[in-house]
Amino acid sequence: GEDVEQSLFLSVREGDSSVINCTYTDSSSTYLYWYKQEPGAGLQLLTYIFSNMDMKQDQRLTVLLNKKDKHLSLRIADTQTGDSAIYFCAEIGSSNTGKLIFGQGTTLQVKP
Amino acid sequence: DAGVIQSPRHEVTEMGQEVTLRCKPISGHDYLFWYRQTMMRGLELLIYFNNNVPIDDSGMPEDRFSAKMPNASFSTLKIQPSEPRDSAVYFCASSPSGPFMNTEAFFGQGTRLTVV
Repeated sequence: GEDVEQSLFLSVREGDSSVINCTYTDSSSTYLYWYKQEPGAGLQLLTYIFSNMDMKQDQRLTVLLNKKDKHLSLRIADTQTGDSAIYFCAEIGSSNTGKLIFGQGTTLQVKP
Repeated sequence: DAGVIQSPRHEVTEMGQEVTLRCKPISGHDYLFWYRQTMMRGLELLIYFNNNVPIDDSGMPEDRFSAKMPNASFSTLKIQPSEPRDSAVYFCASSPSGPFMNTEAFFGQGTRLTVV
C-alpha cells in the first residue's frame, strides 16, 4: 500500500541547520514533494524532486533522496524563525491517478 | 488567478445540522481534492475528482459525508448530519497535471469547522 511517515516534531536554534526526514513505501513514486504549512494557512509547495535524482538544492533548501531505503530528507540551512511551520512530505501514488499521499507533517520550532 | 477559493473560512454549527463547504478551484486545473486536517489524524484525503468525476472516495469517513463537482469551477463537501468529531480544518486543493507528471497541488486557505 501507499504510506508516508514523518517524525512529528523538531526543535532547533536559529542559525542551525534543520533536517526533516520522511520514509515512503511506494517504490514506483516518480515525484516526491515537500510542502510547508504556516499557521492558519493552507499548504504551499516548497520543493520537489524527481525520482531519478538523488539530490536537489534550492538556496537554503537541500533535498536528499535515497531510493533504495525509500528515504527523503529536507535540510534547511541557517534556519530562521520564519521557517517555523509544519512540513509535509508527499508522494505521487502508483495508481497512476495523480493522487498525492501526504505524511502526517513535522512541526518545526525555531528558537531565537 | 486568485488561487483556490474556499468558503466559508470559519463555520460554527450545532450537532445535527447540515454543513456545506464550498470550493472554487484554479481555472484550468483537472484535479480537485478535499482534505481534512486534525491534530489527531493529520492530513487525510477524503475524495478527489478528475474532470469533475469522482475518482476515489475511499477516504470519506461515513455516509454522512458527500461531495459533488457539478462543473469545472465549483465543488461542495456536505456533512449531514454533522457531529462534534467532524470538527477540523477542511482543505480544498486543485492540480493542473495528470498522472506521473509533476503534480503541484495548490491549496485553499481552508475552512475551520467547529461542531458544538
